[in-house]
Amino acid sequence: EPEVTQTPSHQVTQMGQEVILRCVPISNHLYFYWYRQILGQKVEFLVSFYNNEISEKSEIFDDQFSVERPDGSNFTLKIRSTKLEDSAMYFCASRWDRGDYNEQFFGPGTRLTVL
Amino acid sequence: EDQVTQSPEALRLQEGESSSLNCSYTVSGLRGLFWYRQDPGKGPEFLFTLYSAGEEKEKERLKATLTKKESFLHITAPKPEDSATYLCAVLGYNQGGKLIFGQGTELSVKP
Repeated sequence: EPEVTQTPSHQVTQMGQEVILRCVPISNHLYFYWYRQILGQKVEFLVSFYNNEISEKSEIFDDQFSVERPDGSNFTLKIRSTKLEDSAMYFCASRWDRGDYNEQFFGPGTRLTVL
Repeated sequence: EDQVTQSPEALRLQEGESSSLNCSYTVSGLRGLFWYRQDPGKGPEFLFTLYSAGEEKEKERLKATLTKKESFLHITAPKPEDSATYLCAVLGYNQGGKLIFGQGTELSVKP
């Protein structure tokens, strides 16, 4: 069964460092998303991506964040200068293009710890 | 503002003891309501999509229903392996595909 994969599973970094979180969406999906979940809190939307451009972003997704689809399979989230409050689980999700009524399938997540 | 509230926050059941989880929502036009299961340290696992009031979906011991203001996830004769956090999320017409999640209900089923 196709699934979304994410690497690494756990990333530890120093405050101010750049991190890149990687995702491989399900192969025939066209819409891609990043969400995050701070420990004990709700899953919250960061950004959506379609046709090689951002379609929507949240207030959290400021200039320190960027997304890219460098090739036909990978989807990345970059945080340029990490802050302590960026520590969270980051989930990638993807969905097919079948109109608006599509479920999003989530990856297993990357746990980011900023020291 | 679009919002999702789930109750209870935590639920402890004995194996075989049926119960229901609630998801109340306010959204500017509902395009879909989604139920996910999340195990500790893992990503949300898709369970159901509901589109309109009156709709019901079933999968094994789980049944999801939808009204204009809330959704219920009914668990019939649960087993310990049903223990997880159950997340509800909505997709509205004013949202570019983003899901708004509730805080989840942590279900624990004891043998």
